[in-house]
Amino acid sequence: NAGVTQTPKFQVLKTGQSMTLQCAQDMNHEYMSWYRQDPGMGLRLIHYSVGAGITDQGEVPNGYNVSRSTTEDFPLRLLSAAPSQTSVYFCASSYGTGSGQNIQYFGAGTRLSVL
Amino acid sequence: DQQVKQNSPSLSVQEGRISILNCDYTNSMFDYFLWYKKYPAEGPTFLISISSIKDKNEDGRFTVFLNKSAKHLSLHIVPSQPGDSAVYFCAAGDANTGNQFYFGTGTSLTVIP
Repeated sequence: NAGVTQTPKFQVLKTGQSMTLQCAQDMNHEYMSWYRQDPGMGLRLIHYSVGAGITDQGEVPNGYNVSRSTTEDFPLRLLSAAPSQTSVYFCASSYGTGSGQNIQYFGAGTRLSVL
Repeated sequence: DQQVKQNSPSLSVQEGRISILNCDYTNSMFDYFLWYKKYPAEGPTFLISISSIKDKNEDGRFTVFLNKSAKHLSLHIVPSQPGDSAVYFCAAGDANTGNQFYFGTGTSLTVIP
């Protein structure tokens, strides 16, 4: 059982380049999220989705774009990378809402450096 | 503004002793709380949770205590083992909003053999 798979594991970009971070889950979870982890800041929610075709903004959405065309996939797009987007990115999924169903399963992360 | 705070960036304890990790939150609407454990180069993994209708939840060596009036929760690990060495994140949110959980900055626990 693969769980939540993120690709790539590492990426270096130049300022202004665009890229897509991939996230796929095989648990048939409705909820998926993207977080970034920065030193001294914990994990901050970028965007989330409550099901295919539905996305919404989290705490720090600026500079990122998402779409959810299938239940399994939730890609995160950086349209024009900036050094401030240097971070570790985590994708997570959960079954749904309510006590016990909202436990999130995380991918291993993507470490992104923007020069 | 940080809605969930873990004021101790690191903690060291001897093997076999109790580890106590603390977490404070500011939003009185939060009614569900979780602890995640993270090893280097891996994603966080769920450890234990508690609903606001309880003040204690236990799972083996791990116990979470919730003090709603103080907006404070703590994770107790007894006895601590070297394999418990990791970063622990506290998360809080509304159980019915699904994904909108707020995370603390983490506490790095080192258990010394």
